Amino acid sequence: DAKTTQPTSMDCAEGRAANLPCNHSTISGNEYVYWYRQIHSQGPQYIIHGLKNNETNEMASLIITEDRKSSTLILPHATLRDTAVYYCIVPSGDTGRRALTFGSGTRLQVQP
Amino acid sequence: NAGVTQTPKFQVLKTGQSMTLQCAQDMNHNSMYWYRQDPGMGLRLIYYSASEGTTDKGEVPNGYNVSRLNKREFSLRLESAAPSQTSVYFCATTVAGGPVVEQYFGPGTRLTVT
Repeated sequence: DAKTTQPTSMDCAEGRAANLPCNHSTISGNEYVYWYRQIHSQGPQYIIHGLKNNETNEMASLIITEDRKSSTLILPHATLRDTAVYYCIVPSGDTGRRALTFGSGTRLQVQP
Repeated sequence: NAGVTQTPKFQVLKTGQSMTLQCAQDMNHNSMYWYRQDPGMGLRLIYYSASEGTTDKGEVPNGYNVSRLNKREFSLRLESAAPSQTSVYFCATTVAGGPVVEQYFGPGTRLTVT
């Protein structure tokens, strides 16, 4: 898997946008960027993924730079329930295995 | 539609005891995975099964065995538990084929080995 680098922790005020950055400078052309989150030791939850275009769903938006070496996950109106560890993952092209490599992620604390 | 279920939720073992962690899914997914998560760390892959009848080692397979009983069930066995295996164990599933890797996780089994 391509190596990803994320800040260890971030704070965000409730109701404001949370912008979580991720560097993946060794990403290959056919590798997707995935974001998962883990709330208080529950099983990780899929958020969003993208290849080169920006993506949006009901949970978040994903902005990928044109050179694809970094991306930002945006939670547009953070709530206390968004407090979690957020993982940026770039799985390898090994489609037979298709497993995820979780680093340490970013611990997002949403403040009231 | 329960998704991915795991049993038990909690377990305490003494060193040397054995146990089997159970995972079942009703999502009709082909691929299933076992991860472990130590305190303050990310998840690490123990074993995976790309399809019924096949299993392969992940990053940290030592001390574990797995069985893909059928398409729905994937079990993880600790033959002789050690304190280093104290962890939270997560089962996950995903559809087969294509480059997209959206995995669905169970709630986890919290195992303590004393």
